[in-house]
Amino acid sequence: GAVVSQHPSWVICKSGTSVKIECRSLDFQATTMFWYRQFPKQSLMLMATSNEGSKATYEQGVEKDKFLINHASLTLSTLTVTSAHPEDSSFYICSARAHPSPNEQFFGPGTRLTVL
Amino acid sequence: QKEVEQDPGPLSVPEGAIVSLNCTYSNSAFQYFMWYRQYSRKGPELLMYTYSSGNKEDGRFTAQVDKSSKYISLFIRDSQPSDSATYLCAMNQGGSYIPTFGRGTSLIVHP
Repeated sequence: GAVVSQHPSWVICKSGTSVKIECRSLDFQATTMFWYRQFPKQSLMLMATSNEGSKATYEQGVEKDKFLINHASLTLSTLTVTSAHPEDSSFYICSARAHPSPNEQFFGPGTRLTVL
Repeated sequence: QKEVEQDPGPLSVPEGAIVSLNCTYSNSAFQYFMWYRQYSRKGPELLMYTYSSGNKEDGRFTAQVDKSSKYISLFIRDSQPSDSATYLCAMNQGGSYIPTFGRGTSLIVHP
């Protein structure tokens, strides 16, 4: 149980284009999902917290207009990187909190984004 | 000073060794402590979850929390090459569900 999937697992795009990443909780309902960014040999950096049916809460320094997050249902959250640039290339990981174990986050497998 | 400090390694050990991974932290309000294992190009997987001080054992893994010293450890007994991964510690305050992560320790278990 508690499986989180992400799609796509990797994507290569041209500079200036937008990329959408999906995060799904497959066997549980996730009232809260989190989006992280991870650079090589670095820790996870929380980008935003996404609650179903409401606007995402972004961490300081994360551009809301660049990283659009939508949490339309209890099993799906999406991250759209708009007008991507090479510096946006990174490993993006989502996680979901499964009620009623709020301190246990289950992570997706990650999406590797490369912007040319 | 970062809230959570973790030596990035790499830590290289022979198969069968006992591995000790550690994190220190500065926020005395942290109450929930987690260890995640992350294989290359994969998302983190929750290994151990501990509340407050004390020990918790699960198979070959033992998690220890010493709140007085603000120090947590993960021990791996009889280490296997398949344990080679990056191990991230994480912790958060009661009532707050967003953990603070360490940068991870890279572990290499060689046959």
